[in-house]
Amino acid sequence: GQSLEQPSEVTAVEGAIVQINCTYQTSGFYGLSWYQQHDGGAPTFLSYNGLDGLEETGRFSSFLSRSDSYGYLLLQELQMKDSASYFCAASSGGYQKVTFGTGTKLQVIP
Amino acid sequence: DAGITQSPRHKVTETGTPVTLRCHQTENHRYMYWYRQDPGHGLRLIHYSYGVKDTDKGEVSDGYSVSRSKTEDFLLTLESATSSQTSVYFCAISESASGAQYFGPGTRLTVL
Repeated sequence: GQSLEQPSEVTAVEGAIVQINCTYQTSGFYGLSWYQQHDGGAPTFLSYNGLDGLEETGRFSSFLSRSDSYGYLLLQELQMKDSASYFCAASSGGYQKVTFGTGTKLQVIP
Repeated sequence: DAGITQSPRHKVTETGTPVTLRCHQTENHRYMYWYRQDPGHGLRLIHYSYGVKDTDKGEVSDGYSVSRSKTEDFLLTLESATSSQTSVYFCAISESASGAQYFGPGTRLTVL
């Protein structure tokens, strides 16, 4: 089976930095993705880590450590519009290749 | 944004009636997925397709069936809707099985 764990809620201050962690147990692991979902909206793809290390895309960075079965999403210079739910998703072998975590609801406060 | 639409966007139906949701893409992506999203459960895979007429079950497939007769269309059918199937349903597409998935706008289904 496959499972991912991430915190259910995180609160951070506008302009600050926040890290959302994700641990996974996945057989045949390929990589870790992150998605953002605003209330009432659809999930949107943010980033993918297929190799260990840090991937940076603007204010967002994502990190993967295969040896620790762990990854995180780092959001810098937080803005109010970053208030949303963030999902990690593990890719693995077989056609059914992506399993999603239950999501972390980020609230950015002034 | 990937060209992916879902219809209907909202539907209210009664227990025991059949319901079909449609997902349509204009990206020619091979892989298509149906998820349901409920509070506290995140996104759970119902069925997926890896090509025309090639489909398989996900983790919550009971009570659902799918069909894919064309690359661009993936249909999800609830043969006899139950109140437990009240949910938001998302379709997604991807070029590769392990790559980024692009989601449709969702269908909010209420079964009374």
